[in-house]
Amino acid sequence: TQLLEQSPQFLSIQEGENLTVYCNSSSVFSSLQWYRQEPGEGPVLLVTVVTGGEVKKLKRLTFQFGDARKDSSLHITAAQPGDTGLYLCAGGGFKTIFGAGTRLFVKA
Amino acid sequence: NAGVTQTPKFQVLKTGQSMTLQCAQDMNHNSMYWYRQDPGMGLRLIYYSASEGTTDKGEVPNGYNVSRLNKREFSLRLESAAPSQTSVYFCASSEGGSSGTEAFFGQGTRLTVV
Repeated sequence: TQLLEQSPQFLSIQEGENLTVYCNSSSVFSSLQWYRQEPGEGPVLLVTVVTGGEVKKLKRLTFQFGDARKDSSLHITAAQPGDTGLYLCAGGGFKTIFGAGTRLFVKA
Repeated sequence: NAGVTQTPKFQVLKTGQSMTLQCAQDMNHNSMYWYRQDPGMGLRLIYYSASEGTTDKGEVPNGYNVSRLNKREFSLRLESAAPSQTSVYFCASSEGGSSGTEAFFGQGTRLTVV
């Protein structure tokens, strides 16, 4: 059974700090997706990483896919209150699985 | 652009009652999905439809049925609701393809079974 474990589960930081959240598995994935979910809303896709070792940047967000395609990380530089939300990683084909998420709170 | 639309947004059911959650997408996507989200457990796949005319079980299909009515619409039915089915339900769609799923989600249906 494929599993995606995310850490930390919860993170509360001050505006302007940097942070990294992790998504780990013992299984190989052909690609991983990162989503952000705000309260009362559905998840919104941020990025897909496909190639082992790949790094993708989305403004202040940097996503990395591990060389072995078993793990991924999301780094946020100079976090802002607007970054607050639940960050989910997901992988798989039609039977996509999701990690439990990292809940981020950025205080002004 | 409406994207993925779910109805209703909120529902309270008594144990044993039935209901159907509706989902429609206007992105001409081939694949559609139903997930449930419970605290601390992320999203779990209930059923999916890889393409019009096909449906398959996901991780937690027991107690649910689905219908892919046409390319746009995918409904989820609870025949006899149980308190364990209290959850937030999300419908999603994607272009399809087994190599990776970039899904677009609806706003969710918050279901409480008492």
